[in-house]
Amino acid sequence: KQEVTQIPAALSVPEGENLVLNCSFTDSAIYNLQWFRQDPGKGLTSLLLIQSSQREQTSGRLNASLDKSSGRSTLYIAASQPGDSATYLCAPTGTSGSRLTFGEGTQLTVNP
Amino acid sequence: DGGITQSPKYLFRKEGQNVTLSCEQNLNHDAMYWYRQDPGQGLRLIYYSQIVNDFQKGDIAEGYSVSREKKESFPLTVTSAQKNPTAFYLCASSIGTGISGANVLTFGAGSRLTVL
Repeated sequence: KQEVTQIPAALSVPEGENLVLNCSFTDSAIYNLQWFRQDPGKGLTSLLLIQSSQREQTSGRLNASLDKSSGRSTLYIAASQPGDSATYLCAPTGTSGSRLTFGEGTQLTVNP
Repeated sequence: DGGITQSPKYLFRKEGQNVTLSCEQNLNHDAMYWYRQDPGQGLRLIYYSQIVNDFQKGDIAEGYSVSREKKESFPLTVTSAQKNPTAFYLCASSIGTGISGANVLTFGAGSRLTVL
């Protein structure tokens, strides 16, 4: 059974810092991995999807990398802003196709 | 605008009552999903459906039921058999499944169920 761990559980940084969120998973047999953002009391918004054959994906100030063999993914946020404050979740998709397994998330607070 | 609509946003239930949460999408997606989120825990899959008139149990299906009579609708019933139903429920959809690589999930805004 896939298990996903996200470190740190919570992070508070001053505005402008570059930061890294970590995601590790136990089963490397995945099709892809997604990073999501969740604002308090809201649904999830997909940020980036990395296919298993890819090493990284970029969208604006966000960059996600994937090392499938070691079961790790990182989300890099450049020049953080208060609007980036949210919970970030990673979710690999297993080779069964339909089953995403979510981590518990990293709660990020960016202070002005 | 295309998206997923969940209703109601907040719902209160007395013990022993069944309640149904609505999920409607106008994205023409084939696959739909129901997740449960508890404080301090990740999302857990309750049920999913890859096509109309077909659905499969997820990791925590006990005490829940679903139907998929129309492509755009995937209602979730929380039955009295669910022992700890208070949670935040999220519906999602995707074009297809992970096999096609096209399973970017679109989520609804969620429904918060509280049992009194």
